[in-house]
Amino acid sequence: DGGITQSPKYLFRKEGQNVTLSCEQNLNHDAMYWYRQDPGQGLRLIYYSQIVNDFQKGDIAEGYSVSREKKESFPLTVTSAQKNPTAFYLCASSIGASSYGYTFGSGTRLTVV
Amino acid sequence: QQQVKQSPQSLIVQKGGIPIINCAYENTAFDYFPWYQQFPGKGPALLIAIRPDVSEKKEGRFTISFNKSAKQFSLHIMDSQPGDSATYFCAARPGFSGSARQLTFGSGTQLTVLP
Repeated sequence: DGGITQSPKYLFRKEGQNVTLSCEQNLNHDAMYWYRQDPGQGLRLIYYSQIVNDFQKGDIAEGYSVSREKKESFPLTVTSAQKNPTAFYLCASSIGASSYGYTFGSGTRLTVV
Repeated sequence: QQQVKQSPQSLIVQKGGIPIINCAYENTAFDYFPWYQQFPGKGPALLIAIRPDVSEKKEGRFTISFNKSAKQFSLHIMDSQPGDSATYFCAARPGFSGSARQLTFGSGTQLTVLP
């Protein structure tokens, strides 16, 4: 079955640590996205990539970094510069940047301990 | 201008009721308005979507009503069931070409359907 796999499902980070969230898709989609979800604030775009080796900042990119070395993979690193990283992180993909349908993964819940 | 405002934040209805969730936007360049359904601990899934050239779209028990002049659209769930209990997000996307065609999401509505 085609889809998006996010791992881990739960992640705990100590103060000052960088952590990387994994996102893999086997849908052959060109575009991939990272969203952050906080209660009452909906989904906010962190980064997006329309093609391999290219990505752009979204609305809340500060404290985050990404890479897109392979079409299937779009990992997100939450750096120590992100002061409030506790949230639910969602990865999504679409056939192309102009396509209408987004497919979401099941998310990673990150907690600072 | 990219904002999509969604209301209410939460909604409780009895089984068989018709919950209505509303969204409003400012950007007249938006040309695609989807609704997503999210169950706890899961990612959102596309439920139904509408383009501004029609005023209503039905898929099963779910209906989108669209008012282009008021820049508002709403989701109606007919004969709601406890299994419809979820968080619902509206979204919008501009129709112009270029890189800025990502979806902008509303803040979400947590729906509870009581048995």
